Amino acid sequence: GQQLNQSPQSMFIQEGEDVSMNCTSSSIFNTWLWYKQDPGEGPVLLIALYKAGELTSNGRLTAQFGITRKDSFLNISASIPSDVGIYFCAGRQGGSEKLVFGKGTKLTVNP
Amino acid sequence: DGGITQSPKYLFRKEGQNVTLSCEQNLNHDAMYWYRQDPGQGLRLIYYSQIVNDFQKGDIAEGYSVSREKKESFPLTVTSAQKNPTAFYLCASSPKGAFSGNTIYFGEGSWLTVV
Repeated sequence: GQQLNQSPQSMFIQEGEDVSMNCTSSSIFNTWLWYKQDPGEGPVLLIALYKAGELTSNGRLTAQFGITRKDSFLNISASIPSDVGIYFCAGRQGGSEKLVFGKGTKLTVNP
Repeated sequence: DGGITQSPKYLFRKEGQNVTLSCEQNLNHDAMYWYRQDPGQGLRLIYYSQIVNDFQKGDIAEGYSVSREKKESFPLTVTSAQKNPTAFYLCASSPKGAFSGNTIYFGEGSWLTVV
């Protein structure tokens, strides 16, 4: 099955720094979702995007649905230790019943 | 509490044995899903069901079976035909199904180790 290209694979940052990660695809997507997963737990939905160009915030998190519909970005501002985890993007193509997931970005925040 | 409950959290089984993972949701969601997660990998879809008594194969259905006899329940059986069953299994549900634009929500996962 198709997978999204998510980058970077991992990030090591200092507390207080901003973080950016993205997902790209060769195909057009109609929906982009961003999840966070803590070790040994299920992913938790952070932000859902349904419209090209849409910019949505959830606290310190901001995500954007790319204009080309082939990419999406997630930014975290002023990182804190509890931001540690794996962040996944997921997308859905028009006419498809399935979500496609990226391989995740592992975030480490040093206090 | 509302949500998606998976059980057991940890399961150990001998090679060649069938194993059934439970998934129950009280969110009144129509669609339910099973994903498999391996270290360093994204989530891969095993099976999904949009309505009771109906389900569809995902990308990696071989060696797995499911049933959807009730709206709130979607158990997954890992059969002996699954060649590499050790993984983290995630159940999810969605109000109308991912294809309608609604998002999916995950349970806390079940670790299966086959020895």
